[in-house]
Amino acid sequence: DQQVKQNSPSLSVQEGRISILNCDYTNSMFDYFLWYKKYPAEGPTFLISISSIKDKNEDGRFTVFLNKSAKHLSLHIVPSQPGDSAVYFCAASASNSGYALNFGKGTSLLVTP
Amino acid sequence: DAGITQSPRHKVTETGTPVTLRCHQTENHRYMYWYRQDPGHGLRLIHYSYGVKDTDKGEVSDGYSVSRSKTEDFLLTLESATSSQTSVYFCATRRGTNEKLFFGSGTQLSVL
Repeated sequence: DQQVKQNSPSLSVQEGRISILNCDYTNSMFDYFLWYKKYPAEGPTFLISISSIKDKNEDGRFTVFLNKSAKHLSLHIVPSQPGDSAVYFCAASASNSGYALNFGKGTSLLVTP
Repeated sequence: DAGITQSPRHKVTETGTPVTLRCHQTENHRYMYWYRQDPGHGLRLIHYSYGVKDTDKGEVSDGYSVSRSKTEDFLLTLESATSSQTSVYFCATRRGTNEKLFFGSGTQLSVL
């Protein structure tokens, strides 16, 4: 059963606008959340993370928001650039129940000029 | 970049043959992982290791085995490859829990 869900397989945004990618999780024990970016024929690369003790983390154009009560997190990219076009994976782990990272199925973001 | 090298980068094999994929890291990370990526499924965990000779199964471990005899090497073996194991395989490492994973560049495996 998928514990991390990305319900939007794809998203298209105009350059300069905000991109919002969403992620839901079902396991209330998850306490660490990450976003990864993946280009074709490359391995995923780390983008940003957030601990469950926070509700927001910002790094340049990227901000992750965590709503624990709703078991929901989102990644905001502002402003979006064509080079942001990639597949974005949401991931989560629980520090007290193993060492694995659970990934969502990914959202393909296309930023158009 | 955590100095992760996957080999081979591409492999074509026949159904029923054994296949071993290798992951080598230079960062002395404790944790190592094997994931597979398939369209519509995202990244799914096959096996992981939390130390030398300490391994455990992930969600899609059937048909796969792993070994870790040294900190730097994590091997994934398909005992008898099937067409359903055609996929892109990624190795990842992690220094500690609640830290990010670093991924290798992947191995494209085709089982004909």
